[in-house]
Amino acid sequence: KAGVTQTPRYLIKTRGQQVTLSCSPISGHRSVSWYQQTPGQGLQFLFEYFSETQRNKGNFPGRFSGRQFSNSRSEMNVSTLELGDSALYLCASSLAGRGAGAQYFGPGTRLLVL
Amino acid sequence: GQQVMQIPQYQHVQEGEDFTTYCNSSTTLSNIQWYKQRPGGHPVFLIQLVKSGEVKKQKRLTFQFGEAKKNSSLHITATQTTDVGTYFCASPREAGNNRKLIWGLGTSLAVNP
Repeated sequence: KAGVTQTPRYLIKTRGQQVTLSCSPISGHRSVSWYQQTPGQGLQFLFEYFSETQRNKGNFPGRFSGRQFSNSRSEMNVSTLELGDSALYLCASSLAGRGAGAQYFGPGTRLLVL
Repeated sequence: GQQVMQIPQYQHVQEGEDFTTYCNSSTTLSNIQWYKQRPGGHPVFLIQLVKSGEVKKQKRLTFQFGEAKKNSSLHITATQTTDVGTYFCASPREAGNNRKLIWGLGTSLAVNP
């Protein structure tokens, strides 16, 4: 099976702009989670989608949003970018129906905000 | 709320030495997952432990789940340079009708050749 894919892999934006990141999960996986990773901060959970519904949410401001499509592909959007949003954004898919199953990560999108 | 504490935060070893990272919780864990992230890469799922006292091995890696299901360890025997990376543990926490993964901050392993 193909793994989790994320596009784009690298992105440079300026403050105030918005960005949309895309994630295609492993075939058959209906759960998609998004994480933000910055040096020294570990993995910060953004949100999880399952069957097109947001099932869990982390402690991020409303500028961070996401959605999931009927084919389980997911997008996340960050509006009004801030310098502190520079990070590696990881998407992970999982089989688990109730959430918190083994996470299979994509390669991530590296976002730099100038 | 439930947290998982990982120690140590960093570890430097000489190639050939053993390495252990620990994941501790004040509450009982339903299961524990371990991941490895190589420098510049993404986390890769290694294993999930479910049963009290469970021990699983993957080549030079030994994973243990404590008898009380409040702690877990990952032990690497005779480290190699390919073991370099950050090792994370994660465990589910009940969140309403669903579950959410709680992550440790990771242990970064450096191996001197």
